[in-house]
Amino acid sequence: NAGVTQTPKFQVLKTGQSMTLQCAQDMNHNSMYWYRQDPGMGLRLIYYSASEGTTDKGEVPNGYNVSRLNKREFSLRLESAAPSQTSVYFCASNPGTTGELFFGEGSRLTVL
Amino acid sequence: AQKITQTQPGMFVQEKEAVTLDCTYDTSDPSYGLFWYKQPSSGEMIFLIYQGSYDQQNATEGRYSLNFQKARKSANLVISASQLGDSAMYFCAMRRVDTNAGKSTFGDGTTLTVKP
Repeated sequence: NAGVTQTPKFQVLKTGQSMTLQCAQDMNHNSMYWYRQDPGMGLRLIYYSASEGTTDKGEVPNGYNVSRLNKREFSLRLESAAPSQTSVYFCASNPGTTGELFFGEGSRLTVL
Repeated sequence: AQKITQTQPGMFVQEKEAVTLDCTYDTSDPSYGLFWYKQPSSGEMIFLIYQGSYDQQNATEGRYSLNFQKARKSANLVISASQLGDSAMYFCAMRRVDTNAGKSTFGDGTTLTVKP
């Protein structure tokens, strides 16, 4: 009963390095999302994918790219990491028009 | 655009008492849903309760109830009989529910501390 799985759980990068956060869901959900959460704050939407083959920008997309590889997988890429991207990243999914978000456990990223 | 406002950064409640966490929202969407999530210190996000904008009755889930006042654009969470395990951060969120492309917008959260 995996739900939403994110990897890696923790990552430390140096400024300018690149990395990809992986996310996979096994609930056959149509929509997938990437959020970031800075200390003491709520979640801000980076990118989302309403269905397989589509992606759209959220509130804070600068510095990120995404790929909806198939219905199960939605990856987030940082091409040139900056200290301002130090955050906890959450992947989430939901079935479609209604329903709550199902979250992964989060990925803690530190950029030095 | 959607906006969620949670005006209480921190709240304290005595164990076994009830507590209300405030949430106001703003949206021009005719059909929307309001959600509350709990985030314990371990960091995971846990769904608590949902209220649809066209629902006639306030939602309830066990000790959680949502006090929905559409005209005032408020969706307060009421936790009855607080337990120590309720200590956590609580987020109010909303999204359009008439489209697959509905994006959830979150408030900044309220940290609840339950005192023994």
